[in-house]
Amino acid sequence: ELKVEQNPLFLSMQEGKNYTIYCNYSTTSDRLYWYRQDPGKSLESLFVLLSNGAVKQEGRLMASLDTKARLSTLHITAAVHDLSATYFCAAGQGGSEKLVFGKGMKLTVNP
Amino acid sequence: DTAVSQTPKYLVTQMGNDKSIKCEQNLGHDTMYWYKQDSKKFLKIMFSYNNKELIINETVPNRFSPKSPDKAHLNLHINSLELGDSAVYFCASSQEGDSYEQYFGPGTRLTVT
Repeated sequence: ELKVEQNPLFLSMQEGKNYTIYCNYSTTSDRLYWYRQDPGKSLESLFVLLSNGAVKQEGRLMASLDTKARLSTLHITAAVHDLSATYFCAAGQGGSEKLVFGKGMKLTVNP
Repeated sequence: DTAVSQTPKYLVTQMGNDKSIKCEQNLGHDTMYWYKQDSKKFLKIMFSYNNKELIINETVPNRFSPKSPDKAHLNLHINSLELGDSAVYFCASSQEGDSYEQYFGPGTRLTVT
């Protein structure tokens, strides 16, 4: 059974700092997704990672995937307050549309 | 021009009632989903339909019954509502061959009193 773990689950950081958050999954997965959720809002797709070594960047966020280690990272560069949100990773398995979500990481960026 | 829409946005009802939530997508996707997000923000899939056919049916009480009249619509009917059903329910859709990326609706916050 595919399980997804995120750590940390809560992160408070100052503006301007860098940080990396981690997403591990338990069995073979060929698809890894990162979503952002603002309080009271829906989930917004950030990144779709489909192959080993995939790296994608958008603004201050960069996501990568290591399928051999069953690990995805989301790196935050020079954090700003607007990045405050909950970040979810989700993994999928070939031949199935089913996604398994991690518990989400609540990020607070302090001015 | 909303891609995935849900109605209602908020639903407050008493225990024992029956209620429905509706979802529509205009993305032309073949697959639609229902997720439940509990008070701890944990997101879990409940059901998935592909072209009106049920393909994912997680361990969900049979008080929950999805219905897909066509591939653009997926409704969720809940019978005999219980306090534990209080949550945010999200609809999502995806297209096979498009990385299965799922697009989420705005959510329906269900409160059972």
